[in-house]
Amino acid sequence: AQTVTQSQPEMSVQEAETVTLSCTYDTSESDYYLFWYKQPPSRQMILVIRQEAYKQQNATENRFSVNFQKAAKSFSLKISDSQLGDAAMYFCAYRRLPQGGSEKLVFGKGTKLTVNP
Amino acid sequence: DTGVSQNPRHKITKRGQNVTFRCDPISEHNRLYWYRQTLGQGPEFLTYFQNEAQLEKSRLLSDRFSAERPKGSFSTLEIQRTEQGDSAMYLCASSLAASGGSYEQYFGPGTRLTVT
Repeated sequence: AQTVTQSQPEMSVQEAETVTLSCTYDTSESDYYLFWYKQPPSRQMILVIRQEAYKQQNATENRFSVNFQKAAKSFSLKISDSQLGDAAMYFCAYRRLPQGGSEKLVFGKGTKLTVNP
Repeated sequence: DTGVSQNPRHKITKRGQNVTFRCDPISEHNRLYWYRQTLGQGPEFLTYFQNEAQLEKSRLLSDRFSAERPKGSFSTLEIQRTEQGDSAMYLCASSLAASGGSYEQYFGPGTRLTVT
């Protein structure tokens, strides 16, 4: 079974600075998707960024980028120029490729990010 | 609002009572997922539907839990004889499973259940 581990329960960053959130995972599959989701307080979870394992190039979305190390099974999220609105719980998640199954998401425990003004 | 909606947003119930939650997915989405999120944890998969068929259930989904999606549109999750351990946020997500699609899951705001 796939597992996702986030070893940083809490992180903090100063506004406008850069922060990196860590994630490792375990799977026996060679192709899969990895995601970072953001869950603001009392608000719904939204997708921040997605990485396909078969792509070597790291995904980027504006101020958000990932460092995907497939051999190490590591998938970190870098947030540049942090803003107060980035404060949230961040979840790393794994999903298998569409193969006729459920494609359910497997989540880590999350990292609570605080942004200090 | 064309996103995933869930009702109620909050539910407080006494132990032993039955509760039912509703999820309305994005209209063209054929897949619907239920997850449970307890305090300090990430969401855990409970079950999913492809159209009206329930195709997978987690071992977390005990006999007291039942989910339906009668016409392939909205879904309900019922918990019978609630226990304090059922207190959690229940999240619904929907996706479009189609060839060449991303199968990306869009989440609703959740229903927070408190069992006293």
